[in-house]
Parts: sequence; structure tokens; C-alpha cells
Amino acid sequence: AQTVTQSQPEMSVQEAETVTLSCTYDTSESDYYLFWYKQPPSRQMILVIRQEAYKQQNATENRFSVNFQKAAKSFSLKISDSQLGDAAMYFCALENSGYALNFGKGTSLLVTP
Amino acid sequence: GAGVSQSPSNKVTEKGKDVELRCDPISGHTALYWYRQSLGQGLEFLIYFQGNSAPDKSGLPSDRFSAERTGGSVSTLTIQRTQQEDSAVYLCASSLDGSGSYEQYFGPGTRLTVT
Repeated sequence: AQTVTQSQPEMSVQEAETVTLSCTYDTSESDYYLFWYKQPPSRQMILVIRQEAYKQQNATENRFSVNFQKAAKSFSLKISDSQLGDAAMYFCALENSGYALNFGKGTSLLVTP
Repeated sequence: GAGVSQSPSNKVTEKGKDVELRCDPISGHTALYWYRQSLGQGLEFLIYFQGNSAPDKSGLPSDRFSAERTGGSVSTLTIQRTQQEDSAVYLCASSLDGSGSYEQYFGPGTRLTVT
């Protein structure tokens, strides 16, 4: 069964604009972690942002922020002031087993000048 | 400092041959993970090591797949009698400990092509 769902296979945003990537997940655990990873063409997975489920405050890292809705099991990523270097595959991931990451299928983000 | 390294970067092999993929984690990281990324299946967890032991091998797709970790450091993933469906990018990651509170750092992956 799909644990993490990213419903947007592709998204496009203009440089300097804001874009939101969606992610929903399913877990019966009350304590877990959620992540957004970026994968550029180099294949290197890079952690963008992390959210602990027990924290109500949404995580923020510079231009990246999340909207974490625990009851709705939703974890969206907002990228502000988009830059050409933000173009990549973005993966939402859930960790609720103590170690293994469960990834969504990914969203390909295109940034246009 | 040095990140997670993997070798080879690319590997082309004939169906039926055995292959070994290597992962060198960040020094001091006790936890090590293997994932597989393929077009059809996305990113799948394969196996997790804590130190030299593998508490969870549940993600290994068949008994043709095995992995070991020696000295709490380098790990090798071995695929015997490779099949075309084994073609994928194999990613290795390491973390300070096996818990979601610690970031998993990924290597650049090995792209395996089975012809």
C-alpha cells in the first residue's frame, strides 16, 4: 500500500515566484518524521527540510517552508523566490519505523526564467 | 568532510552475472541504508545496518540479493544472477544512528544496467 503520495508528477514555476508541492501520507504511528529531499540530475539526494510530528510549528529553512497538517496527514513544501537551481525532483518521505524512509513517487520541478 | 561514496558510479553487466556494489559511509556513522530507485517502483528501501548487523532485511526483493557490512564501515550489496529487472540506481545512505532524528546522508548512487 502506498504510504506516501505525491499527486503532482510535474510542476512548473517562474523564477522569483512561489510554488507549493503537495504530499499526503498514511501512518498509524503518533511519533514520526517527515522529510523533503531534492534530487538534481547528479542523482545526489539532498535533504531540504525535516519535520518532527510532535512539533506543531511548521519547519522553515531559508526559502523553504512546510505546511504540516497532522490531522489531515498532509505535508506540503513551499518554495519562495524560486531560483533556477531549485529545478530538480523533489521527494516527500516518511520515517515511522525508526530508520527506513518511505518515499513518494516524486515531483519534477521546472523553473523557467 | 567526506560524504558518502559509492562505487562504481555506473555498471553494465550481462544477464546472469553477479555484481558487487560498494558503499563507504561517513566516518562515525553507525547506521547504513541501501535503497533502490527504478522507473517503475520509485525509491524502495532494501536493507538497514546498525553497526555490522542487519536488523531489517525485509526490503531485499529476492534471495539473489545480499548485503554485508564489515568493521562497522564499508558495505557491499551483492546481486547474484542478475536479471533485467534489477536495472536501477542503487543508493546508499548513512546516519549517526538508526533513528529519524538523525539525517540520512546519501551517496551519488550506482547506476546498474543489466543487458
